[in-house]
Amino acid sequence: EPEVTQTPSHQVTQMGQEVILRCVPISNHLYFYWYRQILGQKVEFLVSFYNNEISEKSEIFDDQFSVERPDGSNFTLKIRSTKLEDSAMYFCASTGNSPLHFGNGTRLTVT
Amino acid sequence: AQSVTQPDIHITVSEGASLELRCNYSYGATPYLFWYVQSPGQGLQLLLKYFSGDTLVQGIKGFEAEFKRSQSSFNLRKPSVHWSDAAEYFCAGGIKAAGNKLTFGGGTRVLVKP
Repeated sequence: EPEVTQTPSHQVTQMGQEVILRCVPISNHLYFYWYRQILGQKVEFLVSFYNNEISEKSEIFDDQFSVERPDGSNFTLKIRSTKLEDSAMYFCASTGNSPLHFGNGTRLTVT
Repeated sequence: AQSVTQPDIHITVSEGASLELRCNYSYGATPYLFWYVQSPGQGLQLLLKYFSGDTLVQGIKGFEAEFKRSQSSFNLRKPSVHWSDAAEYFCAGGIKAAGNKLTFGGGTRVLVKP
């Protein structure tokens, strides 16, 4: 069965550094998402992306976040200047005409 | 505002016993409802979904869930749990079948005793 793949599985970075989290959605899917889960908290929607543009974003998704689909297969989340509170598990998801398929997540640790 | 609530943070169950995880939703209209499972170090795997029609839905791994409009609930059940069912379970709701921004409940962590 096709999968959403995310790399890296764990990223450690220093506060103020830029990070890029990478995702390869399922190939025939049209909608792409990023969610995050701070340790011990709910899974929260960050942003959805369709037709090469952001279709919806949450209040969390401020100017330090950006998403990009640089080619036909990758979907990236960039955090420009990381803060301690950005430490979380970040999930990529994709869908076509079906429920969301999630990747295994990238655990981001900001020190 | 749309919300999904899972009242139980932790549940401990003996292997072979039955399991029921509670989920309540608050939406303006009947949402599309989902249950996901997250094993340690893994992503979110879809167990089952409810869109419309039959209120008892069957999922993978022997799980089922029942949609009850009168109680705004979508509880997940399994008749006999296995040690491998130890995981965190998330109920989620959306307003569309696909292309969804899902709202997640807080999750219920299930521990299975031998």
